[in-house]
Amino acid sequence: AQTVTQSQPEMSVQEAETVTLSCTYDTSESDYYLFWYKQPPSRQMILVIRQEAYKQQNATENRFSVNFQKAAKSFSLKISDSQLGDAAMYFCAYRRRGGSEKLVFGKGMKLTVNP
Amino acid sequence: SQTIHQWPATLVQPVGSPLSLECTVEGTSNPNLYWYRQAAGRGLQLLFYSVGIGQISSEVPQNLSASRPQDRQFILSSKKLLLSDSGFYLCAWSPDPRHTEAFFGQGTRLTVV
Repeated sequence: AQTVTQSQPEMSVQEAETVTLSCTYDTSESDYYLFWYKQPPSRQMILVIRQEAYKQQNATENRFSVNFQKAAKSFSLKISDSQLGDAAMYFCAYRRRGGSEKLVFGKGMKLTVNP
Repeated sequence: SQTIHQWPATLVQPVGSPLSLECTVEGTSNPNLYWYRQAAGRGLQLLFYSVGIGQISSEVPQNLSASRPQDRQFILSSKKLLLSDSGFYLCAWSPDPRHTEAFFGQGTRLTVV
């Protein structure tokens, strides 16, 4: 079974600085997708970024970028120029390509942004 | 554009009472639908998913059930709630099997007392 592990339950960063959130996963599949979701205090789950396993190039969305290391099964999220609105729970998620298309989530990490 | 509606936003129910949470998706057809539960301080646990009307797959055996009476409607139910059913319930959808990410509703905070 696929598992997603976020080993850091909490992190903090100063506004305007950079922070990296770590995530590892375990799968025997070779074709899959990885995601980072953000859950602000409103509890709405918001997709931050997506990475396709067959793509070697790391995904980037504005201030958000990932470091995808397929061999190491590592998928970290880097937030540059952190803003107060980035404060939230962040969840790493995995989804096998095809099949039942279920998202498997890590336990999440609480990010605090200090002014 | 596609939207997902989930209600109610909050619910307080006594132990042993029934439950019905509803989720509807607009602006699309034949979506994959999901029910997740998020316990306090924990990640999201997939409870049920559906790839079509009347097709329900259960991930975790428990006293909850799900139904999909219409293409864009997904209902989470229980005949008798337990204290352990308290949590935050999220409905989600994916446009089709080839689409990768899921989009979530606003969630329902259920407290069983």
